[in-house]
Amino acid sequence: DVKVTQSSRYLVKRTGEKVFLECVQDMDHENMFWYRQDPGLGLRLIYFSYDVKMKEKGDIPEGYSVSREKKERFSLILESASTNQTSMYLCASHTGYQETQYFGPGTRLLVL
Amino acid sequence: DQQVKQNSPSLSVQEGRISILNCDYTNSMFDYFLWYKKYPAEGPTFLISISSIKDKNEDGRFTVFLNKSAKHLSLHIVPSQPGDSAVYFCAASRRGIIQGAQKLVFGQGTRLTINP
Repeated sequence: DVKVTQSSRYLVKRTGEKVFLECVQDMDHENMFWYRQDPGLGLRLIYFSYDVKMKEKGDIPEGYSVSREKKERFSLILESASTNQTSMYLCASHTGYQETQYFGPGTRLLVL
Repeated sequence: DQQVKQNSPSLSVQEGRISILNCDYTNSMFDYFLWYKKYPAEGPTFLISISSIKDKNEDGRFTVFLNKSAKHLSLHIVPSQPGDSAVYFCAASRRGIIQGAQKLVFGQGTRLTINP
């Protein structure tokens, strides 16, 4: 079974703090993704990565950056957290041979 | 612009009856479609998918129908069970690249409630 884990289930941060969200997958997938889920908006793609050290912007990259130093790990960074970044953050991965993405349990981030 | 739309935010169905969830898309380049199910405080889990070369795909109680001319897909669940209560997301992608990251575009989700 594919396992995607996220470092925290719940986080509370203050405006202006730097926030790191970590994601690890154990299936040697090349591709990893970060989404945010907001009510009425569905899942929106922030960034994705198709290889180590490679990254591409998704649909809403503003205010975020990412890091992929190892194949199994993909980090999302909020350089200076703002209240409009309060959301559920979901990490996913897949191999290039399949469209099915496997998701982690999510991190609910509250920025005060 | 919302390329994938689920116009019903919620749906309530009686246990044992059929649940029909709908999804519309605008981009004719999409050629692969997926349904995900999400429980609260969990990540989405893959449910069923369909390629644009088919118009129907069935897996147990779940069937997905694709109408390319109308750019519409639907998920049928029959019979509906209480454990089906969740948020359902449809997603679409372009398969054109054989290998590589496949970007999924998600709809807004429909909250399905199955009443006993």
